[in-house]
Amino acid sequence: DTGVSQNPRHKITKRGQNVTFRCDPISEHNRLYWYRQTLGQGPEFLTYFQNEAQLEKSRLLSDRFSAERPKGSFSTLEIQRTEQGDSAMYLCASSLLAGGYEQYFGPGTRLTVT
Amino acid sequence: QQQVKQSPQSLIVQKGGISIINCAYENTAFDYFPWYQQFPGKGPALLIAIRPDVSEKKEGRFTISFNKSAKQFSLHIMDSQPGDSATYFCAASVYNFNKFYFGSGTKLNVKP
Repeated sequence: DTGVSQNPRHKITKRGQNVTFRCDPISEHNRLYWYRQTLGQGPEFLTYFQNEAQLEKSRLLSDRFSAERPKGSFSTLEIQRTEQGDSAMYLCASSLLAGGYEQYFGPGTRLTVT
Repeated sequence: QQQVKQSPQSLIVQKGGISIINCAYENTAFDYFPWYQQFPGKGPALLIAIRPDVSEKKEGRFTISFNKSAKQFSLHIMDSQPGDSATYFCAASVYNFNKFYFGSGTKLNVKP
């Protein structure tokens, strides 16, 4: 399967703990995006990378959130000191820089903070 | 504020019928309008997309109608099938396609 992959698929954590999610984009896709989706809502943009550079961060991304894409390939999203309000589906998408607008989404990581 | 407004929130259609989902936007800089289909527990999957230089785009049973002056676009699913039962999201983005603004979703239930 050459689509976007995300790990883990599910994560249950206690409030106050740190969690890290990983996204592997479609190979050769320059851009990588993180979105958050809460129940019954559409995805909301968090941040995006062009190669290894993080070019934009949403105001939704508090200082407890940090994302990296160290060699322009996979990306990690870390949430420190998790809160119950962080419970959501975290989606990763990737796209080519040139030629098209299409963003291809992974299956998401479902985070539950107890 | 919500950049893209989607309606209805839910829709029930008989098998073989036409499903219609509508979206409206305010930002005239938007120039790419995709529709995504999402099944429970899965990520959104791109269904069909349109640029504002055309008023309609058709792919199989799925058609996007685009009204630039009204700042509205809609998804029509012809001959709806039970397998089409899913949540549909419209979205919009600006030319440098750095992020999508999604609607709140429409849960479609196609009854056999």
